[in-house]
Amino acid sequence: QQQVKQSPQSLIVQKGGIPIINCAYENTAFDYFPWYQQFPGKGPALLIAIRPDVSEKKEGRFTISFNKSAKQFSLHIMDSQPGDSATYFCAVSISSGSARQLTFGSGTQLTVLP
Amino acid sequence: DAMVIQNPRYQVTQFGKPVTLSCSQTLNHNVMYWYQQKSSQAPKLLFHYYDKDFNNEADTPDNFQSRRPNTSFCFLDIRSPGLGDAAMYLCATSRGDSSYNEQFFGPGTRLTVL
Repeated sequence: QQQVKQSPQSLIVQKGGIPIINCAYENTAFDYFPWYQQFPGKGPALLIAIRPDVSEKKEGRFTISFNKSAKQFSLHIMDSQPGDSATYFCAVSISSGSARQLTFGSGTQLTVLP
Repeated sequence: DAMVIQNPRYQVTQFGKPVTLSCSQTLNHNVMYWYQQKSSQAPKLLFHYYDKDFNNEADTPDNFQSRRPNTSFCFLDIRSPGLGDAAMYLCATSRGDSSYNEQFFGPGTRLTVL
């Protein structure tokens, strides 16, 4: 059973466009929703994260929108740049005894054309 | 700079020949994780340590084992690598307290099985 569903699988936008990546989850016990950015040959790096008690969070050009009732959250990248071309993973998290565990979505490969 | 270091970055082994991957951290984090990431897929958690307490994911094959001799180091041992074990192996760390804490990933070790 897939705990988090991510779409689209790939996305191509022009420079300055606003790509939107969506994720949906089922388990209401999840309480932390991060987005990770991964460049080829590198490990994922935390981009932005949100808790379920807020509906939106902005950090620079990156915004998470969170809809608790629909169990969906999305990443918006404002004024996208070619340097934003990477794979983006949403994740869901729940505290598991001694540590917080992440379950990743399937990833979205973003290409920003110059 | 505080960071997560993985060695080697690239590892080639033969079918059935044991291999050990290394991870070290200067963050002094309690929790260390090992993920397997196959090409164009999301990272998949294999197991994690909270201090010296080992936590194995239910679907992690017995072929994979781990050791954490001290806070800074964690090893992934693959006893008899198969062709299906070729992947990027990612080490991550986190503080392991009750907050919504970030996982910091290393650059990964890409394993090739001949």
